[in-house]
Amino acid sequence: DVKVTQSSRYLVKRTGEKVFLECVQDMDHENMFWYRQDPGLGLRLIYFSYDVKMKEKGDIPEGYSVSREKKERFSLILESASTNQTSMYLCASRSGTGGGGYTFGSGTRLTVV
Amino acid sequence: KQEVTQIPAALSVPEGENLVLNCSFTDSAIYNLQWFRQDPGKGLTSLLLIQSSQREQTSGRLNASLDKSSGRSTLYIAASQPGDSATYLCAVRKNGQNFVFGPGTRLSVLP
Repeated sequence: DVKVTQSSRYLVKRTGEKVFLECVQDMDHENMFWYRQDPGLGLRLIYFSYDVKMKEKGDIPEGYSVSREKKERFSLILESASTNQTSMYLCASRSGTGGGGYTFGSGTRLTVV
Repeated sequence: KQEVTQIPAALSVPEGENLVLNCSFTDSAIYNLQWFRQDPGKGLTSLLLIQSSQREQTSGRLNASLDKSSGRSTLYIAASQPGDSATYLCAVRKNGQNFVFGPGTRLSVLP
């Protein structure tokens, strides 16, 4: 069964902490994505990557960075967590060839206190 | 810029009803369209993926149709069950671009 795995379901962090959210896929997909989802705002794209060591800004990259050192792993980094980054974070992957769709992970609910 | 809307925003039906969820998009030059289900507090589960050359896709009690020229897709759920209660999202993609998501339809199926 193909999978996108997010390392944590729930996280509680303090304001100012550096936070790492990890995402691993086992489908050999080229493209990986980080979204955040908030009530009334829908899914918003933070960053995406179409290859190892490549990254592209999405619609709301401010306050975030990413790392893709290996094809299967895409990390989202909150350099200095703030309360307005409390949200559900969703990772997805997609094949870079053909008309494939997204496969999502189960999400990480991050609370910054 | 592609915009995706879903009507209705919320829907409550008794168990056993057949129902239709709607998805509209402003730019008809799409590459494919994907329907997802999301349970509260969980990630998105892919239901159906329709390529631009296809008119419909079926999986069990689910049928999704695509009318590119009118910028519309419908998700038909037959014989609804309480376990179908969830939020349903559609997303569309142009070639070379990322998926654009609709806001979702929250479905409640009452026993």
